[in-house]
Amino acid sequence: DTGVSQDPRHKITKRGQNVTFRCDPISEHNRLYWYRQTLGQGPEFLTYFQNEAQLEKSRLLSDRFSAERPKGSFSTLEIQRTEQGDSAMYLCASSYTRTSGGTDTQYFGPGTRLTVL
Amino acid sequence: SQKIEQNSEALNIQEGKTATLTCNYTNYSPAYLQWYRQDPGRGPVFLLLIRENEKEKRKERLKVTFDTTLKQSLFHITASQPADSATYLCALGQGQNFVFGPGTRLSVLP
Repeated sequence: DTGVSQDPRHKITKRGQNVTFRCDPISEHNRLYWYRQTLGQGPEFLTYFQNEAQLEKSRLLSDRFSAERPKGSFSTLEIQRTEQGDSAMYLCASSYTRTSGGTDTQYFGPGTRLTVL
Repeated sequence: SQKIEQNSEALNIQEGKTATLTCNYTNYSPAYLQWYRQDPGRGPVFLLLIRENEKEKRKERLKVTFDTTLKQSLFHITASQPADSATYLCALGQGQNFVFGPGTRLSVLP
């Protein structure tokens, strides 16, 4: 399967613990995005990478959140000191864009559902 | 303030009818608009993209219109089938920035 994959699919953790999620994008895609989605809402943008560079971060991304894409391939999203309000589906998407400012069709992974008790 | 609204939270229609979903926005100037389908527990799947200078786009049973004066996009599914039941999301795009609407949950009844 050559689509976007995410691991784990589900994560249950206790408040205050750290969690890390992984995303493997479609191999030739140069852009990688992280979103958060809560029930009944559309995905909310968190951050995106062009190759290994993190180019934009949403104000939603507090200091407890950090994302990396060290070699421009897979990415990790870490949440430190989790809170109950962090419970959500975390979606990763990737795309290929030739030029800056071009349109961007994003291909989403299945998501990681986080539950913070 | 900026806002994206998608008609109702849920829409029920009879099989074979045309489903029409709306996406209205305020205080945005998108260069393009996309529609995605999302099934429960899964990530969104891209369906169609329409640019600001295009009025209409079609793909099989799907049709999208984009009116930048009304700040509205309409998404039509003709000859709807129970397999079309899902949540449909519109997303406004300006370059690499994306903002999603809340989605409309469509149920096609046999």
